[in-house]
Amino acid sequence: QSVLTQPPSASGTPGQRVTISCSGSNSNIGNNYVYWYQQLPGTAPKLLIYRDNQRPSGVPDRFSGSKSGTSASLAISGLRSEDEADYYCAAWDDTLSRPGGLFGGGTKLTVL
Amino acid sequence: VQLVESGGGLVKPGGSLRLSCAASGFTFSTYSMHWVRQAPGMGLEWVSSISAGSSYIFYADSLKGRFTISRDNAKNSLYLQMDSLRAEDTALYYCARELSTAHYAMDVWGQGTTVTVSS
Repeated sequence: QSVLTQPPSASGTPGQRVTISCSGSNSNIGNNYVYWYQQLPGTAPKLLIYRDNQRPSGVPDRFSGSKSGTSASLAISGLRSEDEADYYCAAWDDTLSRPGGLFGGGTKLTVL
Repeated sequence: VQLVESGGGLVKPGGSLRLSCAASGFTFSTYSMHWVRQAPGMGLEWVSSISAGSSYIFYADSLKGRFTISRDNAKNSLYLQMDSLRAEDTALYYCARELSTAHYAMDVWGQGTTVTVSS
């Protein structure tokens, strides 16, 4: 079970707006940046959002990130069929005993 | 900009493997690097990271000291020495570059190398 909690699945129809949540704690999301990755079937993950809400060049502005306290969200507007993928949130964890990286369990997005 | 992993394969429980990641197209020596793994049909799991000059090294708690990350900046290469391998280490192992302006943001990924631990 991941320390960062995501819903296992989400769905929407083309053109809709969908959001994916990610819940953590003070030692990770509450005190560090959140990142979002998209993984298309059979491919390596791709960085979608960094520093909570920044998009790397080339990522459409249909993708947006937000954070409040110990939770974060990824929003996808104008849903398209090619958005069907697995989405992962990530954050560094400052646990004193062993700091390290965390990923959420992933959310499988289906475009109906 | 490219990362190419190698060194995966089939190994018996208790055995060892050394993964390599060859970097090209960027100044490898100025970037922190990570290993991330993905078990079959499962999600991503962060494994380890190493800073540009090897001063800062971190490991996932679940590894319990069995893995060692290292790098050779002269050879533009990242390594992961895996010892005392277990069935649960079976996964696709990715190396990834950390974005220079955002700690733990991985902006370039390799295609992965598969490790299978089985008798």
